[in-house]
Amino acid sequence: AQSVTQLGSHVSVSEGALVLLRCNYSSSVPPYLFWYVQYPNQGLQLLLKYTTGATLVKGINGFEAEFKKSETSFHLTKPSAHMSDAAEYFCAVSFTGRRALTFGSGTRLQVQP
Amino acid sequence: DGGITQSPKYLFRKEGQNVTLSCEQNLNHDAMYWYRQDPGQGLRLIYYSQIVNDFQKGDIAEGYSVSREKKESFPLTVTSAQKNPTAFYLCASNKEPQGNEQFFGPGTRLTVL
Repeated sequence: AQSVTQLGSHVSVSEGALVLLRCNYSSSVPPYLFWYVQYPNQGLQLLLKYTTGATLVKGINGFEAEFKKSETSFHLTKPSAHMSDAAEYFCAVSFTGRRALTFGSGTRLQVQP
Repeated sequence: DGGITQSPKYLFRKEGQNVTLSCEQNLNHDAMYWYRQDPGQGLRLIYYSQIVNDFQKGDIAEGYSVSREKKESFPLTVTSAQKNPTAFYLCASNKEPQGNEQFFGPGTRLTVL
């Protein structure tokens, strides 16, 4: 079955530290990949996406993600965390033959001062 | 400004009542989606529609109904048959083809009393 796995429902980092949020998917065909951010009681905002081309994708707010086909991964990183990065992050995949996105269960990022 | 609006933001319902959640977009997008969000479970697809007067069930359609009479509007009705309707409901839309990112509304929080 096609699925999306986000390792770690909660991640805590210190302000200024590296942020690494993990996402793996199950598919033999490279899908389209997205990262969204959600602040409390709000909708989702797109951070970045991978469709084709360069496997290192840069997004908003200093985030980037690398598509690794061999590892079926699309991990999200940011070199230096800021307090305003505290939110929930969702990895989403558009699998071939499925119109809607399939979401991971989300990772809540806490940033400690 | 173009975007997706959802109303109301908060909704309270007594058991046994049907309620309708509104979703409107002025992005000229063809496809629209309804997702349900529960803590720790990510987003799950309820229904989606690719064109006017056509829609398909998603993964958790039981107890819900939709209509798509206009391109801009995709209302969701939560019926009394939905056994556990308390959740955060998100509407999204995107443009063809597959792979284009989905844009999300601000969500409606439904609480059953």
